[in-house]
Amino acid sequence: AQSVSQHNHHVILSEAASLELGCNYSYGGTVNLFWYVQYPGQHLQLLLKYFSGDPLVKGIKGFEAEFIKSKFSFNLRKPSVQWSDTAEYFCAVRSSGTYKYIFGTGTRLKVLA
Amino acid sequence: DAGVIQSPRHEVTEMGQEVTLRCKPISGHNSLFWYRQTMMRGLELLIYFNNNVPIDDSGMPEDRFSAKMPNASFSTLKIQPSEPRDSAVYFCASTPGWLANNEQFFGPGTRLTVL
Repeated sequence: AQSVSQHNHHVILSEAASLELGCNYSYGGTVNLFWYVQYPGQHLQLLLKYFSGDPLVKGIKGFEAEFIKSKFSFNLRKPSVQWSDTAEYFCAVRSSGTYKYIFGTGTRLKVLA
Repeated sequence: DAGVIQSPRHEVTEMGQEVTLRCKPISGHNSLFWYRQTMMRGLELLIYFNNNVPIDDSGMPEDRFSAKMPNASFSTLKIQPSEPRDSAVYFCASTPGWLANNEQFFGPGTRLTVL
């Protein structure tokens, strides 16, 4: 069965620190990859997505993610976080040609001002 | 576009009562998903529909849960009877179609508290 692992459940950073959140998935076929963000009290919003092409994907608010097929990974990065990045971040995977999205358990990021 | 609309936003009910959550997907989207979010289990897919037809309901926890999509613009998730362990945030999401490069668009969620 497909699964998505987010190894960091809680991350605390100071403003201006660099961020990297890990995401690994288990599936051998072609996948589409997503990172969603959920700000406190709000619904999930798409940060970025990968379907094909350049494995380095740039999203909104300065976030980027790199798809490394050999490692089954899609880690999220941001060079310098802000207090407003405090949120929960979800990695999601979808097998190409299917409807079903599998979400990771999420990483709660707290950025200290 | 108004986005995915869910109602109510908050629901507090007593154990044993019937609860109905509602969702209106984005116009033109033909796939609809219901998720449950809890602290312990994260975001779980309950059921998804394509063209109003339930495709996979393997995530529905038990027979107390049922979902319908009578038309392209409306879906319900019903819990009868409700139990305290059903307390969670329930999200609805829609996508324009599985063949396209697309993402899921989420509604604001319904926060359910069962006392």
